[in-house]
Amino acid sequence: GENVEQHPSTLSVQEGDSAVIKCTYSDSASNYFPWYKQELGKGPQLIIDIRSNVGEKKDQRIAVTLNKTAKHFSLHITETQPEDSAVYFCAASKSGNEKLTFGTGTRLTIIP
Amino acid sequence: GAVVSQHPSWVICKSGTSVKIECRSLDFQATTMFWYRQFPKQSLMLMATSNEGSKATYEQGVEKDKFLINHASLTLSTLTVTSAHPEDSSFYICSASPPEQYFGPGTRLTVT
Repeated sequence: GENVEQHPSTLSVQEGDSAVIKCTYSDSASNYFPWYKQELGKGPQLIIDIRSNVGEKKDQRIAVTLNKTAKHFSLHITETQPEDSAVYFCAASKSGNEKLTFGTGTRLTIIP
Repeated sequence: GAVVSQHPSWVICKSGTSVKIECRSLDFQATTMFWYRQFPKQSLMLMATSNEGSKATYEQGVEKDKFLINHASLTLSTLTVTSAHPEDSSFYICSASPPEQYFGPGTRLTVT
């Protein structure tokens, strides 16, 4: 089955700086790669996703890049703000409505 | 759009009793819903995939007779934890697929 690795497990950045979280996956049949933000005691919130026919996608301060050959994808957050502090999970699946395999999560802390 | 609700948000039950958790898609129809379990500071682990009008598909190692899933309509799926034990205490989260997966706020179950 699919295996998703995520690094780093914790990340602290100064407010205003950029944060990058990286994931690798094992199943070449995976075509859908979402990123979720989870705040304490809440369910994950979909923040951005990318499909295998696209190499990069951007939504305001958030961007995701995908290298399907190398089987890795990354989340980039620019101009970080205190409210960006949360746990971020990457995931992979064959399509959006099939089961997701999650990475182990990255606890992002923005230092004011 | 794409709002998913769960009820209750938290529940405490005695060992040996059963508890039902509801997952509703509020503004869309979901032919597929997923149930996840999350232990503290860990990632989400898929328990089962639920398709409207058919039997749920359980992941390896998940007891289908203990975790009963019913997806009776396009907007409602329920998870019943039968004969709960303290080790079943966890954060249970559902997602609904329109097709991207949107997650509910989660239900914290504590078994005493």
